[in-house]
Amino acid sequence: EAAVTQSPRNKVAVTGGKVTLSCNQTNNHNNMYWYRQDTGHGLRLIHYSYGAGSTEKGDIPDGYKASRPSQENFSLILELATPSQTSVYFCASGAGLGTSQNTLYFGAGTRLSVL
Amino acid sequence: GDSVTQTEGPVTVSESESLIINCTYSATSIAYPNLFWYVRYPGEGLQLLLKVITAGQKGSSRGFEATYNKETTSFHLQKASVQESDSAVYYCALGENNNAGAKLTFGGGTRLTVRP
Repeated sequence: EAAVTQSPRNKVAVTGGKVTLSCNQTNNHNNMYWYRQDTGHGLRLIHYSYGAGSTEKGDIPDGYKASRPSQENFSLILELATPSQTSVYFCASGAGLGTSQNTLYFGAGTRLSVL
Repeated sequence: GDSVTQTEGPVTVSESESLIINCTYSATSIAYPNLFWYVRYPGEGLQLLLKVITAGQKGSSRGFEATYNKETTSFHLQKASVQESDSAVYYCALGENNNAGAKLTFGGGTRLTVRP
Protein backbone atom coordinates (compact mmCIF):
# COMPACT_ATOMS: atom_id res chain seq x y z
CA GLU A 1 0.00 0.00 0.00
CA ALA A 2 1.27 3.44 -0.91
CA ALA A 3 2.41 5.35 2.09
CA VAL A 4 4.27 8.31 3.51
CA THR A 5 6.60 7.39 6.34
CA GLN A 6 8.26 9.89 8.64
CA SER A 7 11.16 9.36 10.98
CA PRO A 8 11.70 9.83 13.80
CA ARG A 9 8.18 9.97 15.23
CA ASN A 10 9.41 11.82 18.29
CA LYS A 11 12.55 13.86 18.79
CA VAL A 12 14.00 15.91 21.62
CA ALA A 13 16.76 18.28 20.58
CA VAL A 14 18.87 20.90 22.30
CA THR A 15 18.92 24.55 21.34
CA GLY A 16 21.61 25.16 18.74
CA GLY A 17 21.79 21.56 17.67
CA LYS A 18 21.18 20.19 14.20
CA VAL A 19 18.00 18.23 13.54
CA THR A 20 17.09 16.25 10.44
CA LEU A 21 13.56 15.01 9.86
CA SER A 22 13.17 12.37 7.18
CA CYS A 23 10.29 11.47 4.94
CA ASN A 24 9.91 8.58 2.51
CA GLN A 25 7.02 8.03 0.11
CA THR A 26 6.11 5.01 -1.96
CA ASN A 27 3.38 6.81 -3.90
CA ASN A 28 5.70 7.64 -6.81
CA HIS A 29 4.52 11.22 -6.50
CA ASN A 30 6.44 14.11 -7.96
CA ASN A 31 5.62 16.61 -5.23
CA MET A 32 6.50 16.49 -1.57
CA TYR A 33 5.79 18.96 1.22
CA TRP A 34 6.78 19.79 4.76
CA TYR A 35 4.21 21.43 7.05
CA ARG A 36 4.25 22.30 10.73
CA GLN A 37 1.23 22.31 12.99
CA ASP A 38 1.01 24.46 16.10
CA THR A 39 -1.87 24.90 18.50
CA GLY A 40 -4.16 27.61 17.22
CA HIS A 41 -2.67 27.50 13.75
CA GLY A 42 -3.46 25.45 10.73
CA LEU A 43 -0.76 23.48 9.02
CA ARG A 44 1.74 25.93 7.61
CA LEU A 45 3.91 25.14 4.61
CA ILE A 46 7.67 25.25 5.23
CA HIS A 47 9.24 23.83 2.05
CA TYR A 48 8.11 21.77 -0.88
CA SER A 49 9.57 20.03 -3.87
CA TYR A 50 8.51 19.28 -7.44
CA GLY A 51 10.93 16.39 -7.85
CA ALA A 52 14.39 15.08 -7.13
CA GLY A 53 16.89 17.88 -6.81
CA SER A 54 14.22 20.56 -6.43
CA THR A 55 13.32 22.49 -3.30
CA GLU A 56 11.07 25.53 -3.00
CA LYS A 57 10.34 27.86 -0.12
CA GLY A 58 6.89 27.71 1.37
CA ASP A 59 5.20 30.29 3.57
CA ILE A 60 7.47 29.97 6.63
CA PRO A 61 10.92 28.79 5.43
CA ASP A 62 13.14 30.79 7.80
CA GLY A 63 15.30 28.57 9.96
CA TYR A 64 14.72 25.50 7.80
CA LYS A 65 16.42 23.87 4.86
CA ALA A 66 15.13 21.04 2.72
CA SER A 67 16.73 18.34 0.63
CA ARG A 68 15.20 16.10 -2.05
CA PRO A 69 17.90 13.62 -3.08
CA SER A 70 15.48 11.23 -4.78
CA GLN A 71 11.87 10.86 -5.83
CA GLU A 72 11.15 8.94 -2.62
CA ASN A 73 12.95 11.00 0.00
CA PHE A 74 12.51 14.52 1.30
CA SER A 75 14.29 15.80 4.40
CA LEU A 76 13.76 18.86 6.55
CA ILE A 77 16.88 20.23 8.21
CA LEU A 78 17.12 22.54 11.18
CA GLU A 79 20.77 23.64 11.24
CA LEU A 80 20.48 25.54 14.53
CA ALA A 81 17.36 24.41 16.34
CA THR A 82 15.49 26.92 18.51
CA PRO A 83 12.67 26.43 21.03
CA SER A 84 10.30 28.25 18.64
CA GLN A 85 10.67 25.28 16.31
CA THR A 86 9.02 22.97 18.82
CA SER A 87 6.07 21.67 16.88
CA VAL A 88 4.52 18.74 15.08
CA TYR A 89 5.84 18.33 11.55
CA PHE A 90 3.96 16.64 8.75
CA CYS A 91 5.33 15.44 5.45
CA ALA A 92 3.05 14.93 2.48
CA SER A 93 3.25 13.81 -1.11
CA GLY A 94 1.08 14.70 -4.07
CA ALA A 95 0.96 13.78 -7.74
CA GLY A 96 0.96 17.42 -8.70
CA LEU A 97 -0.74 17.52 -12.05
CA GLY A 98 -4.36 17.91 -13.06
CA THR A 99 -7.57 18.63 -11.18
CA SER A 100 -7.99 15.07 -9.98
CA GLN A 101 -4.49 14.85 -8.61
CA ASN A 102 -4.25 17.65 -6.07
CA THR A 103 -4.96 15.39 -3.11
CA LEU A 104 -2.13 15.24 -0.60
CA TYR A 105 -1.14 12.10 1.29
CA PHE A 106 0.31 12.68 4.73
CA GLY A 107 2.66 10.93 7.08
CA ALA A 108 1.77 10.40 10.73
CA GLY A 109 3.82 13.35 11.91
CA THR A 110 7.01 13.99 13.90
CA ARG A 111 6.73 15.60 17.28
CA LEU A 112 9.82 17.76 17.87
CA SER A 113 10.71 19.38 21.16
CA VAL A 114 13.63 21.78 21.29
CA LEU A 115 14.83 22.42 24.83
CA GLY B 1 -3.06 36.16 1.27
CA ASP B 2 -5.29 33.14 1.26
CA SER B 3 -6.78 32.01 4.57
CA VAL B 4 -9.17 29.50 6.11
CA THR B 5 -11.11 29.97 9.34
CA GLN B 6 -12.94 27.12 10.98
CA THR B 7 -14.79 26.35 14.21
CA GLU B 8 -12.44 26.48 17.13
CA GLY B 9 -12.46 23.31 19.14
CA PRO B 10 -12.73 21.27 21.02
CA VAL B 11 -16.22 20.22 20.05
CA THR B 12 -17.96 17.50 22.04
CA VAL B 13 -21.20 15.85 20.95
CA SER B 14 -23.01 12.67 21.90
CA GLU B 15 -23.32 9.71 19.60
CA SER B 16 -26.22 9.98 17.13
CA GLU B 17 -26.36 13.77 17.44
CA SER B 18 -25.90 16.00 14.43
CA LEU B 19 -22.70 17.92 13.76
CA ILE B 20 -21.67 21.03 11.90
CA ILE B 21 -18.14 22.38 11.73
CA ASN B 22 -18.00 25.78 10.12
CA CYS B 23 -15.40 26.74 7.55
CA THR B 24 -15.03 30.02 5.71
CA TYR B 25 -12.26 30.95 3.33
CA SER B 26 -10.62 33.86 1.62
CA ALA B 27 -9.00 33.11 -1.72
CA THR B 28 -7.30 36.30 -2.79
CA SER B 29 -4.66 34.71 -5.00
CA ILE B 30 -6.61 31.79 -6.44
CA ALA B 31 -9.14 32.33 -9.19
CA TYR B 32 -10.82 28.91 -8.91
CA PRO B 33 -10.08 27.44 -5.50
CA ASN B 34 -10.58 23.81 -4.65
CA LEU B 35 -11.91 23.06 -1.16
CA PHE B 36 -11.05 20.10 1.04
CA TRP B 37 -11.81 18.50 4.36
CA TYR B 38 -9.03 16.39 5.85
CA VAL B 39 -9.30 14.30 9.00
CA ARG B 40 -6.62 13.12 11.40
CA TYR B 41 -7.44 10.14 13.59
CA PRO B 42 -5.32 9.58 16.71
CA GLY B 43 -1.82 8.38 15.86
CA GLU B 44 -2.30 8.77 12.13
CA GLY B 45 -1.54 11.32 9.45
CA LEU B 46 -4.10 13.54 7.81
CA GLN B 47 -6.23 11.83 5.21
CA LEU B 48 -8.62 13.29 2.71
CA LEU B 49 -12.24 13.13 3.80
CA LEU B 50 -13.81 14.92 0.86
CA LYS B 51 -13.07 17.56 -1.72
CA VAL B 52 -15.04 19.78 -4.07
CA ILE B 53 -13.48 21.57 -7.00
CA THR B 54 -16.53 23.36 -8.43
CA ALA B 55 -18.57 26.07 -6.73
CA GLY B 56 -22.13 25.00 -6.00
CA GLN B 57 -21.26 21.32 -5.78
CA LYS B 58 -21.50 19.08 -2.74
CA GLY B 59 -19.01 16.49 -1.64
CA SER B 60 -19.77 13.57 0.62
CA SER B 61 -17.94 10.72 2.31
CA ARG B 62 -18.51 8.44 5.32
CA GLY B 63 -21.80 10.21 6.05
CA PHE B 64 -20.19 13.66 6.04
CA GLU B 65 -21.06 16.27 3.48
CA ALA B 66 -20.00 19.79 2.59
CA THR B 67 -21.24 22.25 -0.03
CA TYR B 68 -18.93 24.70 -1.78
CA ASN B 69 -20.71 28.05 -1.47
CA LYS B 70 -18.92 30.76 -3.41
CA GLU B 71 -21.39 33.50 -2.40
CA THR B 72 -20.79 33.05 1.31
CA THR B 73 -17.23 31.73 0.84
CA SER B 74 -18.10 28.79 3.04
CA PHE B 75 -17.55 25.03 3.07
CA HIS B 76 -19.20 23.79 6.27
CA LEU B 77 -18.89 20.13 7.22
CA GLN B 78 -22.06 18.38 8.37
CA LYS B 79 -23.13 14.97 9.53
CA ALA B 80 -26.63 14.00 10.56
CA SER B 81 -25.69 11.38 13.12
CA VAL B 82 -22.14 11.07 14.45
CA GLN B 83 -20.50 7.94 15.77
CA GLU B 84 -17.84 7.49 18.40
CA SER B 85 -15.41 6.50 15.64
CA ASP B 86 -15.74 10.01 14.17
CA SER B 87 -13.67 11.40 17.04
CA ALA B 88 -10.74 13.07 15.31
CA VAL B 89 -9.31 16.43 14.27
CA TYR B 90 -10.90 17.93 11.16
CA TYR B 91 -9.14 20.40 8.91
CA CYS B 92 -10.67 22.57 6.24
CA ALA B 93 -8.28 23.49 3.43
CA LEU B 94 -8.13 25.61 0.34
CA GLY B 95 -6.02 24.79 -2.65
CA GLU B 96 -5.08 25.95 -6.05
CA ASN B 97 -4.74 23.70 -9.00
CA ASN B 98 -2.07 24.31 -11.53
CA ASN B 99 0.47 22.37 -13.43
CA ALA B 100 3.09 23.09 -10.82
CA GLY B 101 1.22 21.13 -8.20
CA ALA B 102 -1.05 21.47 -5.23
CA LYS B 103 -0.30 23.82 -2.36
CA LEU B 104 -2.89 23.85 0.39
CA THR B 105 -3.81 26.49 2.95
CA PHE B 106 -5.26 24.93 6.09
CA GLY B 107 -7.54 26.08 8.84
CA GLY B 108 -6.52 25.58 12.46
CA GLY B 109 -8.27 22.25 12.87
CA THR B 110 -11.28 21.32 14.98
CA ARG B 111 -10.94 18.53 17.52
CA LEU B 112 -14.14 16.52 17.72
CA THR B 113 -14.94 14.16 20.58
CA VAL B 114 -18.01 11.97 20.31
CA ARG B 115 -19.34 10.67 23.63
CA PRO B 116 -20.76 7.12 23.57
